[in-house]
Amino acid sequence: AIRITQSPSSLSASTGDRVTITCRASQGISSYLAWYQQKPGKAPKLLIYAASTLQSGVPSRFSGSGSGTDFTLTISCLQSEDFATYYCQQYYSYPWTFGQGTKVEIK
Amino acid sequence: QITLKESGPTLVKPTQTLTLTCTFSGFSLSTSGVGVGWIRQPPGKALEWLALIYWDDDKRYSPSLKSRLTITKDTSKNQVVLTMTNMDPVDTATYYCARSDIVATTPTAPFDYWGQGTLVTVSS
Repeated sequence: AIRITQSPSSLSASTGDRVTITCRASQGISSYLAWYQQKPGKAPKLLIYAASTLQSGVPSRFSGSGSGTDFTLTISCLQSEDFATYYCQQYYSYPWTFGQGTKVEIK
Repeated sequence: QITLKESGPTLVKPTQTLTLTCTFSGFSLSTSGVGVGWIRQPPGKALEWLALIYWDDDKRYSPSLKSRLTITKDTSKNQVVLTMTNMDPVDTATYYCARSDIVATTPTAPFDYWGQGTLVTVSS
């Protein structure tokens, strides 16, 4: 199975900050990587797919980049509603695998 | 409007078999490219992909759980059923179902719509 290493596991930031989360795959996955946002007690929400394509309705302050093994999620100007846990997921090969999550907390 | 909803027992005993049903609307599992999968999340932990079934009845399973899982679909009822045998307390988790919809330009797609999840506790 492809291992996904996500970092950091948590971070503290303030509203307006630029935040970057990274995922590294144990082998190349082309651009078959998605990012999800999950708030407490809620289901994950798809933010980005194909590494850099914004899902419909997702604010443009979210962006993704990367291909192969290294990927990045950037939130350009953190808003109060962005405090949540973020997961990356590869869907290049089965079994699909998720990163361990990054909890974005208020500083 | 696309919706998915999980249903099933909230409490199962060790060694029992868990049966979860995902009932969806707003799309059809007979449409080419569509799949429905199951993902679980133990309390305070990360997401874990379990299984996926596609419109053409192609089925994929997590290798670590494959011997315990069965996924089936009932297209007429808009339902997908997951069974997991020999439940153990470590299987305590929120179980989600979610849709994958492959578009013409890509051979695979992530989960774009999710159910609210159902918490299953395994305890005697």
